Amino acid sequence: SQTIHQWPATLVQPVGSPLSLECTVEGTSNPNLYWYRQAAGRGLQLLFYSVGIGQISSEVPQNLSASRPQDRQFILSSKKLLLSDSGFYLCAWSDRDQPQHFGDGTRLSIL
Amino acid sequence: SQQGEEDPQALSIQEGENATMNCSYKTSINNLQWYRQNSGRGLVHLILIRSNEREKHSGRLRVTLDTSKKSSSLLITASRAADTASYFCATDALGRRALTFGSGTRLQVQP
Repeated sequence: SQTIHQWPATLVQPVGSPLSLECTVEGTSNPNLYWYRQAAGRGLQLLFYSVGIGQISSEVPQNLSASRPQDRQFILSSKKLLLSDSGFYLCAWSDRDQPQHFGDGTRLSIL
Repeated sequence: SQQGEEDPQALSIQEGENATMNCSYKTSINNLQWYRQNSGRGLVHLILIRSNEREKHSGRLRVTLDTSKKSSSLLITASRAADTASYFCATDALGRRALTFGSGTRLQVQP
């Protein structure tokens, strides 16, 4: 069966520090991959999605970037975090036209 | 307003009562999906209804879709305390590769 792993679960970082969040999927090939951010008590904001290795679509201009170095690996990065980057980050995968499956999320706090 | 807006924003009911949540959207869609999120966790897919379907059932869940009004509803019958969560609708719009999520309805079921 398919599983999705996202880590770390929580992260506290100072302003201006770099960021790397990793997401991996097992049990499927060539999945669509997604990064979302969720502010407290709000809906999900799509940040990036990828339909294949090296193919990244950005939804919102920001200081974040995403990479897909392997078929089932999706990485969210930043060179310099801002206070406004605080939030709950969710990774998800799907097969074409199928529902999305989410990881347990990373709660990022910027100090 | 953004695609996929739910109402009400919050709903509190007693165990055993029915809970109805609504979702409105703006563009033409392939399908509409409902997800559930427990506090601090990832989203879990509940049900998908395609644009050519009008109603769908899954256990205690009943979803309707009215494409002429661009709206959907999620009904949870005989609610339980364990149904307490946030519920999100998400639209799979034509010509778009990613879902658009609404801001959610926070459901509280009192035991």
